[in-house]
Amino acid sequence: DAGITQSPRHKVTETGTPVTLRCHQTENHRYMYWYRQDPGHGLRLIHYSYGVKDTDKGEVSDGYSVSRSKTEDFLLTLESATSSQTSVYFCAISEYGQDRSYNEQFFGPGTRLTVL
Amino acid sequence: QKEVEQNSGPLSVPEGAIASLNCTYSDRVSQSFFWYRQYSGKSPELIMSIYSNGDKEDGRFTAQLNKASQYVSLLIRDSQPSDSATYLCAGVNTGGFKTIFGAGTRLFVKA
Repeated sequence: DAGITQSPRHKVTETGTPVTLRCHQTENHRYMYWYRQDPGHGLRLIHYSYGVKDTDKGEVSDGYSVSRSKTEDFLLTLESATSSQTSVYFCAISEYGQDRSYNEQFFGPGTRLTVL
Repeated sequence: QKEVEQNSGPLSVPEGAIASLNCTYSDRVSQSFFWYRQYSGKSPELIMSIYSNGDKEDGRFTAQLNKASQYVSLLIRDSQPSDSATYLCAGVNTGGFKTIFGAGTRLFVKA
């Protein structure tokens, strides 16, 4: 398995509180991603990073921010959690390859977040 | 049209049969294509990548890409109960490297 960990693995929080999820990799991969997965919607990209301090928005970025101060860590922050942000959050990593393999993504174990 | 579309299933096949999973995509998705397997409660796992028209085989798995018809398929030969999972089709958006996932097809392989 690719060396990707996510913390916490489970979290229950209340509406309006800030929450930070952490993704840590030991593969030295350049690209990192945050997705959320909800029934009927599949995986949806929240934010991604293409290098230290280089990030961009995905399709469902409202209410989320990210930071990447080191290659190995990618943080996802819910600035003021809402019930609609109850979901399973996955981090993924990838690396550029000559054969266009840079989009082959490897996923962390996920964080189950419940916002009450 | 959704960018990557899959039948949600469930698709049920007997053990030993060929399971055929299909996926269509829009003009906004045109580059690399992938199949991921996801067991219940687990994270997605990459099982096949395909970048050009035609077939690509890896063990019991064959991925097929037809860019003219805008579909991707995954064939699983000699299906086993351990193949029971949700299979996610994914493609890269045109002009970028964002990966877009379909909602997944649930496969059940009956022993």
